[in-house]
Amino acid sequence: ELVLTQSPGTLSLSPGERATLSCRASRSITTNYLAWYQQKPGQAPRLLVYGGSTRATGIPDRFSGSGSGTDFTLTIGRLEPEDFAVYYCQQYDTSPYTFGQGTKLEIK
Amino acid sequence: QVQMLQSGAEVRKPGSSVRVSCQTSGDSHSSYTISWVRQAPGQGLEWMGRVIPIFGVADYAQRFQGRITITADKSTSTAYMEISSLRSDDTAVYYCARGGGAYAYWGQGTQVTVSS
Repeated sequence: ELVLTQSPGTLSLSPGERATLSCRASRSITTNYLAWYQQKPGQAPRLLVYGGSTRATGIPDRFSGSGSGTDFTLTIGRLEPEDFAVYYCQQYDTSPYTFGQGTKLEIK
Repeated sequence: QVQMLQSGAEVRKPGSSVRVSCQTSGDSHSSYTISWVRQAPGQGLEWMGRVIPIFGVADYAQRFQGRITITADKSTSTAYMEISSLRSDDTAVYYCARGGGAYAYWGQGTQVTVSS
């Protein structure tokens, strides 16, 4: 199966700073079928980005996805207090549609 | 507005089985794939499998093969996930999600606890 590795495991930043989260695939995702989700405690995940770089409906433009092949990035332009959460990448190129292990974005 | 409503929390003994349901409303399209994802306590998300209602075809992650069955009833817009031979490490929140890949719509989650 296609393995996704996210880094860092934990990212400590302050509101207003820029966050860069990485997701690396064990082999190339030629279709760019890579999604990013945000999850807060006790809630279902929320889709942020799909197709590697397309923001989902209602997602603020401070969230942006980029990358191709094996390396993908989620960037949060200026952190708002509500952005501190866990972020997951997911590939939906090949079944099983695996998730990365997550990056926890915490307040510094 | 699409909503996905899952059945309530379950407690089961090791070796037994459990079935979780997920009803979709607010959308007339019954062709969407329904997937199941679980999350063990303090852990990440794990994709389990999916069903394509209009074809009645299901696809499972290898590690669950032979132990889970995902079905869909088009007439009621309800999908089901049944897992058998439960173990303590199956204790998790189980989510349904709609779509063939990137999931914009999720159920609220169903807590399944496996304990003797």
